[in-house]
Amino acid sequence: KAGVTQTPRYLIKTRGQQVTLSCSPISGHRSVSWYQQTPGQGLQFLFEYFSETQRNKGNFPGRFSGRQFSNSRSEMNVSTLELGDSALYLCASSLGGSSHQPQHFGDGTRLSIL
Amino acid sequence: AQSVTQLDSHVSVSEGTPVLLRCNYSSSYSPSLFWYVQHPNKGLQLLLKYTSAATLVKGINGFEAEFKKSETSFHLTKPSAHMSDAAEYFCVVSALVTDSWGKLQFGAGTQVVVTP
Repeated sequence: KAGVTQTPRYLIKTRGQQVTLSCSPISGHRSVSWYQQTPGQGLQFLFEYFSETQRNKGNFPGRFSGRQFSNSRSEMNVSTLELGDSALYLCASSLGGSSHQPQHFGDGTRLSIL
Repeated sequence: AQSVTQLDSHVSVSEGTPVLLRCNYSSSYSPSLFWYVQHPNKGLQLLLKYTSAATLVKGINGFEAEFKKSETSFHLTKPSAHMSDAAEYFCVVSALVTDSWGKLQFGAGTQVVVTP
């Protein structure tokens, strides 16, 4: 079974631009969560989608948004990029029926803001 | 509310010696607990999970962890370290409440160095 796939792996943008990251979950998984990983703040939860609905959201500004499609693939968008948005963005998928179910992670998209 | 504290930011071990990574948690609800490993430039790989069944949990690559409710701890161990175990390890908690859907709470991580 294929794992979680994130594209692109690397991205370089400049301040003020916007960016869209993509995540394809494991087949059969309906929940997709997104995380931001930085050396200073560690791993922080962005949001979670299940069956095309956002069920949970972390403490990030409105510039960070996401969506999920009917095939469970998810995208994350960041608008008006700031230097501090440079990070590794990870998505994770799970069956989604319970918090007991483990999440499986992709290799991430490394976003660099110049 | 829930939180996770990894008691060591760095652990250095010799190849072939035991590894102990310490984790304490705090949760208002019955938690699920996980250990993940992250190798450089990679995502997180699940090592093992505790979900209120057996308190001693066996995972992949020879790792195991013991859930101790009285001590609110979930320490990770491996009897004999291998060079390939050099990585960063995260202790993670997930609470079984509806407003925590999909949200994992991560510890700060423990960087493991294995010397020959």
